[in-house]
Amino acid sequence: EVQLLESGGGLVQPGGSLRLSCAASGFTFSSYAMSWVRQAPGKGLEWVSTFSASDHNTYSADSVKGRFTISRDNSKNTLYLHMNSLRAEDTAVYYCARGGYYDTSGPMGYWGQGTLVTVSS
Amino acid sequence: SYVLTQPPSVSVAPGKTARITCGGNNIGSKSVHWYQQKPGQAPVLVIYYESDRPSGIPERLSGSNSGNTATLTISRVEAGDEADYYCQVWDSSSDPVVFGGGTKLTVL
Repeated sequence: EVQLLESGGGLVQPGGSLRLSCAASGFTFSSYAMSWVRQAPGKGLEWVSTFSASDHNTYSADSVKGRFTISRDNSKNTLYLHMNSLRAEDTAVYYCARGGYYDTSGPMGYWGQGTLVTVSS
Repeated sequence: SYVLTQPPSVSVAPGKTARITCGGNNIGSKSVHWYQQKPGQAPVLVIYYESDRPSGIPERLSGSNSGNTATLTISRVEAGDEADYYCQVWDSSSDPVVFGGGTKLTVL
């Protein structure tokens, strides 16, 4: 059974940093593209970042570029999101999602339950 | 960057057919995926590559894509279909993963 378990969310002051983790199980982690998607309170889904499986390329939304970094540790079956210079508008539930099998553009077939990040003083 | 436009809301009576549209420039040339999200829950993939269904998704849900509009069709709507629905594409632009703004489906 595919499972994705996010952790690391919490309350942080503006300008602060946070690292989110997504522990994966039930599939060959290294073979799949992995993404972070966020959802601000009462708003829609917003893509944040994707790490490919095939060529190890990373992609990030313009809204977080230069502040957030996606990484993965295939030996630990874990995806990370390193968030710096956090702003109030980064407040959201952050979801980890499994993408395509060696297909960066594939659908996000499995999602974690999300972890809440609140940026406030 | 690429933009996907969805109606904010769609209402339908039980047993009828709901159609949720997703508009984008030449979206018919792209692969479209649809997600369902119920309150307090994570999104669930319901249609991928325009018209394929993951296991466990009922045949009542179907998708199509042509020209500038992709459509998610839900036949014989049930109360349990009430949710937010999002379309998504991959675009070779600055923000390659694009979600539509979402459509709230209300079952009357």
